[in-house]
Amino acid sequence: DAKTTQPPSMDCAEGRAANLPCNHSTISGNEYVYWYRQIHSQGPQYIIHGLKNNETNEMASLIITEDRKSSTLILPHATLRDTAVYYCIVRVGSVYNQGGKLIFGQGTELSVKP
Amino acid sequence: DTEVTQTPKHLVMGMTNKKSLKCEQHMGHRAMYWYKQKAKKPPELMFVYSYEKLSINESVPSRFSPECPNSSLLNLHLHALQPEDSALYLCASSQVSGVSNEQFFGPGTRLTVL
Repeated sequence: DAKTTQPPSMDCAEGRAANLPCNHSTISGNEYVYWYRQIHSQGPQYIIHGLKNNETNEMASLIITEDRKSSTLILPHATLRDTAVYYCIVRVGSVYNQGGKLIFGQGTELSVKP
Repeated sequence: DTEVTQTPKHLVMGMTNKKSLKCEQHMGHRAMYWYKQKAKKPPELMFVYSYEKLSINESVPSRFSPECPNSSLLNLHLHALQPEDSALYLCASSQVSGVSNEQFFGPGTRLTVL
C-alpha cells in the first residue's frame, strides 16, 4: 500500500506559488521523500527529493517538517505548463536490497489557471 | 543523453498474440524498472532489474515475461494477455549505488488488448 496521503486536486493561479502538501506519517528514518510529476500521457518526471533538510533546485523547493511526518512541495511561480499530477513518494529501500521501489500514492492533480 | 526510449508508442494486440515492449537507455544506469499504469491511477511497479538480474517481481502474472539482455536494454514479453492488461507500460532506469537516486522514466507504451 502507498504510504503517502495527498489532496486529490488543487488549483493555482498562474504566476502564484503552488504549495502541494503530503502526509507520510509512517515514514522510517532512512526513507527519502521524492516528488515526481506526470503531465498527461507522459512518463513521470523527477522534481526533487529530500531526507530531513529543506531542499531547493531549479524546479521547486521541498519543505519537510521536523518530525518528517509531512512535507510541502513549492512551485514558486506556477505556469500553465506546470499543470500535471504531482506524486509524493516515500522511497523504500535501496537498489541493493529492495530495488529502490517507488510506491506511488494517488497524487494531486494541480490545475494552473490563467 | 538523459533519455529513456520506449518502443512502440502504441500497441494493439489480441489475446492470443505474442508481442514485446522494448526500453533503452544510454545513461550507464544498471537498474531498470517496469511499471504498469491504468487510466486515472498511479504507476505500479512490476519488475526491477539490478545489474541485469531480476531483483524484484511484484507478483506479476507469468503472461508478462521481462528480459534484460544487456545493461542498456530492457524488454517485456507479452503472451496470452487479457483485456484488463490494457494500460500504459512505463520503463525507468536509475543508478544502482546510493539510496537517493532518481529514476528516469520513458514516455511509455500504450497497450490495448482486444
